[in-house]
Amino acid sequence: EVQLVQSGAEVKKPGESLRISCEGSGYTFTNYWITWVRQMPGKGLEWMGTIDPSDSYTNYSPSFQGHVTISVDRSTTTAYMQWSSLKTSDTAMYYCTRQGQLVRHFDYWGQGTLVTVSS
Amino acid sequence: QSALTQPASVSGSPGQSITISCTGTSRDVGNYNLVSWYQQHPGKAPKLIIFENIKRPSGVSNRFSGSKSANTASLTISGLQAEDEADYYCCSFAGSITWVFGGGTKLTVL
Repeated sequence: EVQLVQSGAEVKKPGESLRISCEGSGYTFTNYWITWVRQMPGKGLEWMGTIDPSDSYTNYSPSFQGHVTISVDRSTTTAYMQWSSLKTSDTAMYYCTRQGQLVRHFDYWGQGTLVTVSS
Repeated sequence: QSALTQPASVSGSPGQSITISCTGTSRDVGNYNLVSWYQQHPGKAPKLIIFENIKRPSGVSNRFSGSKSANTASLTISGLQAEDEADYYCCSFAGSITWVFGGGTKLTVL
């Protein structure tokens, strides 16, 4: 069974760093890209960036470039997204999702990680 | 890269059909046959219901159908049921490993 299991909810202060994770199982991790999607409270979905786990090639949305870093650890079939300095505007639910390298839709989604940034 | 345009809300009675539009540009929706649709119930992760404009994943009801004409894609739900009440998002591939989502549509089943 394909699963994307994300790390738990986080509460942080502005300026702090954070790394959230997304562990893939039930499939060949390197055959599927991982994408991170933001959903701010009461708002819609936003594409943040996509990584190819086979070679770690990453493409970011201009809206998020330079503010987050996406990476993978192939040995643990886990994708990560990290911030070096959080802002209150980073408060949101973050989803990881996967797509096959030859397709352009997201077939499985993680359960989401709620990040709250507040002083 | 602007969000695709969806109506904020639609509604329908049980048994009726509704259609949700998703308008993009010639750089995304109009340039690729790669529009997908996602259903999101409150507090849940999105779920893929349509991909490549018109295809349904295994297990998704045939009451859901998709179409596309020029820069606008559409999702039609026929035979509305109470369980269809959710938020719906379109998404288009926009080239060079980039995607753009629509703003989302809240479906209310009256």
